[in-house]
Amino acid sequence: GQSLEQPSEVTAVEGAIVQINCTYQTSGFYGLSWYQQHDGGAPTFLSYNALDGLEETGRFSSFLSRSDSYGYLLLQELQMKDSASYFCAVSQGGTASKLTFGTGTRLQVTL
Amino acid sequence: DAGITQSPRHKVTETGTPVTLRCHQTENHRYMYWYRQDPGHGLRLIHYSYGVKDTDKGEVSDGYSVSRSKTEDFLLTLESATSSQTSVYFCATNPGTGTIVTEAFFGQGTRLTVV
Repeated sequence: GQSLEQPSEVTAVEGAIVQINCTYQTSGFYGLSWYQQHDGGAPTFLSYNALDGLEETGRFSSFLSRSDSYGYLLLQELQMKDSASYFCAVSQGGTASKLTFGTGTRLQVTL
Repeated sequence: DAGITQSPRHKVTETGTPVTLRCHQTENHRYMYWYRQDPGHGLRLIHYSYGVKDTDKGEVSDGYSVSRSKTEDFLLTLESATSSQTSVYFCATNPGTGTIVTEAFFGQGTRLTVV
């Protein structure tokens, strides 16, 4: 099977930097992705890491260490609109490609 | 945005009745997924499809079946609805690069209540 662990809640101040960690245990691992979901909305894609290292997309960066089965999402210059739930997800390949999500981290940005 | 439409968007049904949720996509994406979302559980995979007539079970497939007779439609059926299946159901698609899922696109969700 597979499992992904994330903190359930994180609180940070507007303008600050926050890191959301994700550890995973899975077979046939191909990559780690991150999704954002606002209350009442659908998840939307943020980033994908297949190789070790840091991927940067604007204020958001994502990191992967395959040897440690670990990744994180880094959000810089936090804004109130970043208050949302963030999910890591693992891609598993083979003849069929599964996408399995973690339980999510609720980020609250305060003034 | 990928054209993914879920129907119905809201449904209330009685325990023991069959229910079918539809996901329709206009992007010709290869992979399609059904998830349920419940507080504290994140998004849990029910079933997924890697092509027409090719489907497989996810982690919470009991009580659910799926069918994909054409690329654009992926149907989720609750064979005999129970209160534990009250949830928000999301469909997702991915174009597929080989067999690797990178970016998935989600529908707007279906809120199902079983009374």
